[in-house]
Amino acid sequence: DIQMTQSPSSVSASIGDSVTITCRASQDIYDWVAWFQQKPGKAPELLVTSASTLQVGVSSRFSGTGFGREFTLTISSLEPEDLATYYCQQAYSFPTLFGQGTKVEI
Amino acid sequence: QLQLQESGPGLVKPSETLSLTCTVSGASISEGSYHWAWIRQPPGRGLEWIAAVFVAGGALYNSALKSRVAISIDTASNQFSLKVTSVTAADTATYYCARHGPDLDYWGQGTLVAVSS
Repeated sequence: DIQMTQSPSSVSASIGDSVTITCRASQDIYDWVAWFQQKPGKAPELLVTSASTLQVGVSSRFSGTGFGREFTLTISSLEPEDLATYYCQQAYSFPTLFGQGTKVEI
Repeated sequence: QLQLQESGPGLVKPSETLSLTCTVSGASISEGSYHWAWIRQPPGRGLEWIAAVFVAGGALYNSALKSRVAISIDTASNQFSLKVTSVTAADTATYYCARHGPDLDYWGQGTLVAVSS
């Protein structure tokens, strides 16, 4: 199984700050990575596919980069509605596994 | 607009079988090259992919759960289902159903299942 190691587990930031979350895959997965946002009590929502493609309706303050084994999600100019937990997911092979999650707090 | 809705008991006794159904609305479950998945999340913890079922037949399972899990699809009812046997407290989680193909792009709201006597 391809493992995804996500860091940090939590980050405290201020409104207007930039936040970067990293995921490292246990083997080369090209650009088969997705990122999700989960707000408390809600289902995860898909933000980014293919490492860098923003879903329709997702703010341009979110950006995804990476290829191979290392991937990042950056939230620029943090806003209050960005407070959530973020997960990466490898979509290269089954079983599809998620990173451990990063909680973004103020 | 595609919608998914989980249903099933909110409480299951240890050693019994947990059974959940996901009803898909807004589109036929047979349309497109999609498969359909279950994911769970224990309270306060991360996401765990459980299994996926293919419309054409066949299924894939998380190896950690494979011996206790069965996923099935009923295209006539536009539903797919999950069974987890011999449950323990470790199976207490919010269970989500989702469309998978290749991204998990549509999710149900989730249903909390507690395992307790």
